[in-house]
Amino acid sequence: GAVVSQHPSRVICKSGTSVKIECRSLDFQATTMFWYRQFPKQSLMLMATSNEGSKATYEQGVEKDKFLINHASLTLSTLTVTSAHPEDSSFYICSATQQGEAFFGQGTRLTVV
Amino acid sequence: GNSVTQMEGPVTLSEEAFLTINCTYTATGYPSLFWYVQYPGEGLQLLLKATKADDKGSNKGFEATYRKETTSFHLEKGSVQVSDSAVYFCALKRAGGGNKLTFGTGTQLKVEL
Repeated sequence: GAVVSQHPSRVICKSGTSVKIECRSLDFQATTMFWYRQFPKQSLMLMATSNEGSKATYEQGVEKDKFLINHASLTLSTLTVTSAHPEDSSFYICSATQQGEAFFGQGTRLTVV
Repeated sequence: GNSVTQMEGPVTLSEEAFLTINCTYTATGYPSLFWYVQYPGEGLQLLLKATKADDKGSNKGFEATYRKETTSFHLEKGSVQVSDSAVYFCALKRAGGGNKLTFGTGTQLKVEL
């Protein structure tokens, strides 16, 4: 199947700093990618839909100025958590769809201290 | 709105035991239903799916039947192995909803010798 690579797998940052997470489709092109967030013992919650060459579509309640999404090419989407705070600590997962099937990255564990 | 409810874990079983992980959903229309598996350190992978009522998805010895009358999609396996230890996510994609997925909370399965 198709491969989606997410980097980094783990990151620890200080409060107030920004963190960038990359999501790459390695062997296919993805005009749309999805970013999810997972809290402990809770569902994966869709944060936003990343659209190549245009603005991302954010789900209700997600701060677009806080979670900046850039989808500059057909194989790369980035999520930047700006001015991170401890409450942003979470597991972030991206996915891309090929022929109707969703393929997921390995996830990024973000810890803000 | 759409939602997915699955049993809380962790579920701990002995090798060769029978597995059931319950999943029920709420959705309008006729969604497609999925089970994803996440092995330690890896991304989510599609395990099986069903797109209409009474369909049975199956893969690697796992099965799930789309039950419209009970709005359920329970995951079963007759004889689990240690290698099945992972987190299992039930998910739905609503008809006409593009590629957006709604996930359950995930159920961790531990299989012991």
